Amino acid sequence: DAGITQSPRHKVTETGTPVTLRCHQTENHRYMYWYRQDPGHGLRLIHYSYGVKDTDKGEVSDGYSVSRSKTEDFLLTLESATSSQTSVYFCAIAAADQPQHFGDGTRLSIL
Amino acid sequence: KNQVEQSPQSLIILEGKNCTLQCNYTVSPFSNLRWYKQDTGRGPVSLTIMTFSENTKSNGRYTATLDADTKQSSLHITASQLSDSASYICVVSPFSGGYNKLIFGAGTRLAVHP
Repeated sequence: DAGITQSPRHKVTETGTPVTLRCHQTENHRYMYWYRQDPGHGLRLIHYSYGVKDTDKGEVSDGYSVSRSKTEDFLLTLESATSSQTSVYFCAIAAADQPQHFGDGTRLSIL
Repeated sequence: KNQVEQSPQSLIILEGKNCTLQCNYTVSPFSNLRWYKQDTGRGPVSLTIMTFSENTKSNGRYTATLDADTKQSSLHITASQLSDSASYICVVSPFSGGYNKLIFGAGTRLAVHP
């Protein structure tokens, strides 16, 4: 397995609360990504990073923010969680010109 | 609009049988096409990757084909095993998009029964 760990693996929280998901890699890869996966949809890109403190928005970035203060860590924050953000969140890492490797996901339920 | 469509949505086969999964895409031009396998509760794992100039790529019992003219790809699984039960995802990388522009299909859920 590519060295990528997501935490927590499962979380249940209430609407309106902030939530932070963590992605940690041991591969020293430059690129890191956050996706969400919902039934009937392909994985959709939320945000990505191409270096420390270098991030950009994906196609479904509203309501999410990210930070990357170290190469190995990429944090995804839901500023004020809503029920529509109930999903499975995947982190991925990649070196230049190489396929993305995915973590095992975080299942997030917002009640 | 760049899209990746997969069929069927789900499939049930008996252990030992072969099956073929389909992927149609509208992404053009594209850099490469990949097939991922996703086990329940796990992240996707890359099976094959093909550039637009390649017609076929094998990985054990998995064989992917690509027809860039018709914008179709298929994943053929030979002599299926129970461990092949998973979702299979077709992913296309637009030529100019880099690795932040992958287009994912919704996947085909395969169940292999004994």
